Amino acid sequence: LAKTTQPISMDSYEGQEVNITCSHNNIATNDYITWYQQFPSQGPRFIIQGYKTKVTNEVASLFIPADRKSSTLSLPRVSLSDTAVYYCLVGGYNQGGKLIFGQGTELSVKP
Amino acid sequence: EAQVTQNPRYLITVTGKKLTVTCSQNMNHEYMSWYRQDPGLGLRQIYYSMNVEVTDKGDVPEGYKVSRKEKRNFPLILESPSPNQTSLYFCASSHTAGTNFYEQYFGPGTRLTVT
Repeated sequence: LAKTTQPISMDSYEGQEVNITCSHNNIATNDYITWYQQFPSQGPRFIIQGYKTKVTNEVASLFIPADRKSSTLSLPRVSLSDTAVYYCLVGGYNQGGKLIFGQGTELSVKP
Repeated sequence: EAQVTQNPRYLITVTGKKLTVTCSQNMNHEYMSWYRQDPGLGLRQIYYSMNVEVTDKGDVPEGYKVSRKEKRNFPLILESPSPNQTSLYFCASSHTAGTNFYEQYFGPGTRLTVT
């Protein structure tokens, strides 16, 4: 199973772009990369998912280089409400459904 | 409304008293999973189920049991709770299609305290 490594914490200011990188050196061929956001005492919420290259939705972009050994979640123009913990998850059902979350990155957005 | 529900949301119990935390989803998802979350340790998978009558151990299954008799329900059973099972528990579900991997929907969480 692919183990993920993320920065423990990051600080930013309102209006800035934030990039959070996740390292997953032993990602398997069929693994997907998924990012979740979690607020205190709430369940994680899906942000974005990708397999390769770039994926963009209404809230974020996900950049995956060709070797897929890392991925970067990009949050454009963050606001105070983006203060949360962000988790990178690498996995797929080809491994039977066992999933391992990383430690998460605590993002603090300041005014 | 598509959702995953858990009950109870809060529970304080004593060591050794069997308890069940229920989880139900209304999205007809095949995959369901239980996680526990402890400070500094992130989310750790306890058990998961790929479909009805199919369950398997996650990363931290010791002291827990699960069953999947119906597609919508995936209860977590603590036969003899101990203080080290004090934690915040999340149930999640997702659709599967072969090996395709879809987003998980998480429940609101159950905060369990074992004294």
